[in-house]
Amino acid sequence: QLQLQESGPGLVKASETLSLRCTVSGGSISKLVYYWVWVRQPPGKGLEWIGSISYSGNTYHNPSLKSRVSMSVDPSKNQFSLRMTSVTAADTALYYCARLRDDCSSTYCFVHFDYWGQGTLVTVSS
Amino acid sequence: QTVVTQEPSFSVSPGETVTLTCGLTSGSVSTSSYPSWYRQTPGQAPRTLIYNTNLRSSGVPDRFSGSILGNKAALTITGAQADDESDFYCVLYMGSGYTVFGGGTKLTVL
Repeated sequence: QLQLQESGPGLVKASETLSLRCTVSGGSISKLVYYWVWVRQPPGKGLEWIGSISYSGNTYHNPSLKSRVSMSVDPSKNQFSLRMTSVTAADTALYYCARLRDDCSSTYCFVHFDYWGQGTLVTVSS
Repeated sequence: QTVVTQEPSFSVSPGETVTLTCGLTSGSVSTSSYPSWYRQTPGQAPRTLIYNTNLRSSGVPDRFSGSILGNKAALTITGAQADDESDFYCVLYMGSGYTVFGGGTKLTVL
């Protein structure tokens, strides 16, 4: 059974950089049919896609976060990471890592989030 | 920027059928956006209900079904139960790992 586990500081000061890591166990991160994704949820609010990365390092992030977000992947450690710069109170949220299945061939295509971490709360202090 | 719309809240009586929708502020939702639906209860990570418009995830009861209704994706719960009370999120896929979440629907069963 695949498991994802987020880790990182639970408290970050405003204007500083948020760094989180997701460790994948029970399966390899090095498969082309998956993207490795960060999603966040501010307290009492909905889910927001932050960005996705493939094991080969191709990334796509939410345009609303502009250039504050960067992601990286380390297949040798089965981990991927998120960095968000210049954080503000609006970045206070529960941060989830997840696996997005993008499994398409000429005859079928399956696309959905199939595994999630439990989430880690990051609070931005002033 | 793509904005996905959902009803903020919905109330249903036990045993009734409810349909939640997922639309776009500009344009129509089609199967090519691979709409998927997730259920989230307090303190828990989201769990997949429906993907590829109408495929049920493993273990999901058949009273949950997905479809395209008009220009929106839809999640229908047939015979709502008290423990269906949850937040439901629609996700559309734009390709290359780019996904957009709807704002979520808080379903109340009473």
